[in-house]
Amino acid sequence: EVQLVESGGGLIQPGGSLRLSCAASGFVVGSNYMAWVRQAPGKGLEWVSILYSDGRTYYADSVKGRFTISRDNSMNTVYLQMNSLRAEDTAVYFCARDRGNGIVGAFDLWGQGTRVTVSS
Amino acid sequence: DIQMTQSPSTLSASVGDRVTITCRASQSVSRLLAWYQQKPGKAPKLLIYKASSLESGAPPRFSGSGSGTEFTLTISSLQPDDFATYYCQQYNSYPWTFGQGAKVEIK
Repeated sequence: EVQLVESGGGLIQPGGSLRLSCAASGFVVGSNYMAWVRQAPGKGLEWVSILYSDGRTYYADSVKGRFTISRDNSMNTVYLQMNSLRAEDTAVYFCARDRGNGIVGAFDLWGQGTRVTVSS
Repeated sequence: DIQMTQSPSTLSASVGDRVTITCRASQSVSRLLAWYQQKPGKAPKLLIYKASSLESGAPPRFSGSGSGTEFTLTISSLQPDDFATYYCQQYNSYPWTFGQGAKVEIK
């Protein structure tokens, strides 16, 4: 079955670090463009980061310098390392796969999400 | 950053109604616009990409149109499963941005 399963969320104090994982099955993450999108409680969707198959990465300004997207091809897993966490990073974090076939940016496969709460 | 504004933010409709949601971009995004459906507690689901291309598996009652700065999502005949929140997203330039959402409620 083709799916994404996120893990690693939880309650963390401001200034702390957390690493989210997104385990893929049914396809190869290294051959796809993989992204993280978040949703604060009761709010809309916010794109966070993208990892291209060639290794290029892009980030939203709100997380640039604090978050790092990466992958482990042997584990077929994508990660989001989150440092210097702030209250405004509180959200459900979704992992998503670009649909491919040309222009990057539309996501056809999503995980169920993992909740991150930044609070003292 | 490109701002995406959806209207209306909420709409009440009945099963069988034709429903249209508009998405406006603060600058041109060409046709690089996607539409997603999201239900409470669930992940978004891709409906439309490149403004008017129907994603595989999405019901044909969903259609998209537009280019540049103005786009529409139309549901030709609203079904019970369609009551949800809909988001547009531009992917013409970084940072990719979403609209604030349009909630379709039961009238």
